[in-house]
Amino acid sequence: EVQLVQSGADVKKPGESLKISCKGSGYTFTNYWIAWVRQMPGKGLEWMGTIYPSNSETKYSPSFQGQVTISADKTISTAYLQWNSLKASDTALYYCARHYVHTGPFDYWGQGTLVTVSS
Amino acid sequence: EIVLTQSPGTLSLSPGERATLSCRASQSVSSSYLAWYQQKPGQAPRLLVYGASSRATGIPDRFSGSGSGTDFTLTISRLEPEDLAVYYCQQYGDSPRTFGQGTKVETK
Repeated sequence: EVQLVQSGADVKKPGESLKISCKGSGYTFTNYWIAWVRQMPGKGLEWMGTIYPSNSETKYSPSFQGQVTISADKTISTAYLQWNSLKASDTALYYCARHYVHTGPFDYWGQGTLVTVSS
Repeated sequence: EIVLTQSPGTLSLSPGERATLSCRASQSVSSSYLAWYQQKPGQAPRLLVYGASSRATGIPDRFSGSGSGTDFTLTISRLEPEDLAVYYCQQYGDSPRTFGQGTKVETK
């Protein structure tokens, strides 16, 4: 069974750093891209970027370039999304999702990680 | 960036009725790389349709997608109570991948 299991909810203060994770199982992790999608409270879905764990090729949305870093460790089938300095506006639910080819639909999604940034 | 505009914002229907959701793109979507997702409250999105008209694995045949170029439609032929959700379209042919703002399907 294909699964993407994300790390748990986190509460941080503005200026702190954070790295959340997404572990894939039930498929060959290096054959699929992993995307990250933001959903702010009560809002829609926004694509942040995507990584190919086989060679760590990464593409970012212009809206998120320089704001976050996407990485992956193929040895443990895990992708990451990290911030160096969080802002209150980063408060959101973050999903990971896989896609087979670079131009592919997101066919499996993680359960989401809620990040709350508050002083 | 391709902007996707979904209409209506909210669709109020009774079980058994037909639902027609629209997604219009600001420019032509490459090779019909258009998907539809369903998101129920408190859940992650689920892929319904890809390639504009291909149903994803396990999706009931009451869901169908159509369209090309800049105009796409998701149709639910007979609404079931479990279909109450927000539906998003997404284009995945051009970068950045973009989503529509969503259509909420609610009980009349």
